[in-house]
Amino acid sequence: NAGVTQTPKFQVLKTGQSMTLQCAQDMNHNSMYWYRQDPGMGLRLIYYSASEGTTDKGEVPNGYNVSRLNKREFSLRLESAAPSQTSVYFCASSTLAGVSDTQYFGPGTRLTVL
Amino acid sequence: LAKTTQPISMDSYEGQEVNITCSHNNIATNDYITWYQQFPSQGPRFIIQGYKTKVTNEVASLFIPADRKSSTLSLPRVSLSDTAVYYCLVGETGAGNNRKLIWGLGTSLAVNP
Repeated sequence: NAGVTQTPKFQVLKTGQSMTLQCAQDMNHNSMYWYRQDPGMGLRLIYYSASEGTTDKGEVPNGYNVSRLNKREFSLRLESAAPSQTSVYFCASSTLAGVSDTQYFGPGTRLTVL
Repeated sequence: LAKTTQPISMDSYEGQEVNITCSHNNIATNDYITWYQQFPSQGPRFIIQGYKTKVTNEVASLFIPADRKSSTLSLPRVSLSDTAVYYCLVGETGAGNNRKLIWGLGTSLAVNP
């Protein structure tokens, strides 16, 4: 099992460019998440999908869109990148969307917006 | 609103016991408290979780008082490989019984030789 995979690992964008971060899990989990992590800010939830076919906003959704393509895949799109979106992005998955449901994280995508 | 507070950083030496406390008020009454560990350039990974009193597994113990307003992660006899950032995660019951996950800002633990 690969667990949670993310692509790409690194990306540099210019302001205004768009891109999609891909995430896939092979653990048959129902719930998937997108976080961003900035120095001193901990993990901040951008969007999550409690189950296939549903998506909900997290703490910092502005400037992002998501698609739960199927049970395995959950993508994050930046339509018009801004320097404030420079961050490390983590995807995670869990059986269900509760605190007691262990989240499994991917290796992260390091994004720089110039 | 639920809020969590953890120390920003802690220092320790190999072989010592380390206790990291997370304060959390207004958390969901029916939800667990979970702790994660994160190494540089990796995603967080689960360490331990509990609902109340004490839970122990092969790597850590978790102490939760009856009022559940805090939890303490205890790492026995730390080694250099325990140098990492430790996060607490709690739940908050919001409007319409929607559950919201609240992450602490993390405690950076440095274990010295």
